[in-house]
Amino acid sequence: AQSVTQLDSQVPVFEEAPVELRCNYSSSVSVYLFWYVQYPNQGLQLLLKYLSGSTLVKSINGFEAEFNKSQTSFHLRKPSVHISDTAEYFCAVTSYNTDKLIFGTGTRLQVFP
Amino acid sequence: NAGVMQNPRHLVRRRGQEARLRCSPMKGHSHVYWYRQLPEEGLKFMVYLQKENIIDESGMPKERFSAEFPKEGPSILRIQQVVRGDSAAYFCASSPPNGGSTDTQYFGPGTRLTVL
Repeated sequence: AQSVTQLDSQVPVFEEAPVELRCNYSSSVSVYLFWYVQYPNQGLQLLLKYLSGSTLVKSINGFEAEFNKSQTSFHLRKPSVHISDTAEYFCAVTSYNTDKLIFGTGTRLQVFP
Repeated sequence: NAGVMQNPRHLVRRRGQEARLRCSPMKGHSHVYWYRQLPEEGLKFMVYLQKENIIDESGMPKERFSAEFPKEGPSILRIQQVVRGDSAAYFCASSPPNGGSTDTQYFGPGTRLTVL
């Protein structure tokens, strides 16, 4: 069985500061990893994903995540956050032998001016 | 290109009534997934359907819940005899055919069900 752990339920940060949202996973098979963002009262939007190849993946709005197999982690980072980044962020995992996504409990990023 | 559509966006039911949630996938997508988000929790997988077929229903409660994705029309998630514990946000996602687990699932805005 697969599982995802997001240890931080809330992360408060000031605008223009760096941020890291942590994600650890557990799986007995090779994984595909995703970060989704959910703005208030909206559905989830894909931020970035790791399937294979380069372990560092980037989004168009400045976020990046690095797949670390030895630490079973896929932490999300941004060097300088904006007020508009305030949202809930979900890490998710799947694998070749299933189509369903297993989600973490989410991290609420709150950016203050 | 319209995204995944869900309706209604908000649904209020009294205990014992039925709830019907509808999901229209993105154009060209033939795979539909339903997830439930309970308050202060992440999304939990419920069911995965292709046209006229249920592929994986391992996350569906054994009673009162059913899902379909007919040849024509939207996918329907049906909850019979709702109870207060069914109050949640229900999200539908779709993905293109033949993609498998590497394909991105595109999510709708969700239906927020409140059971009084």
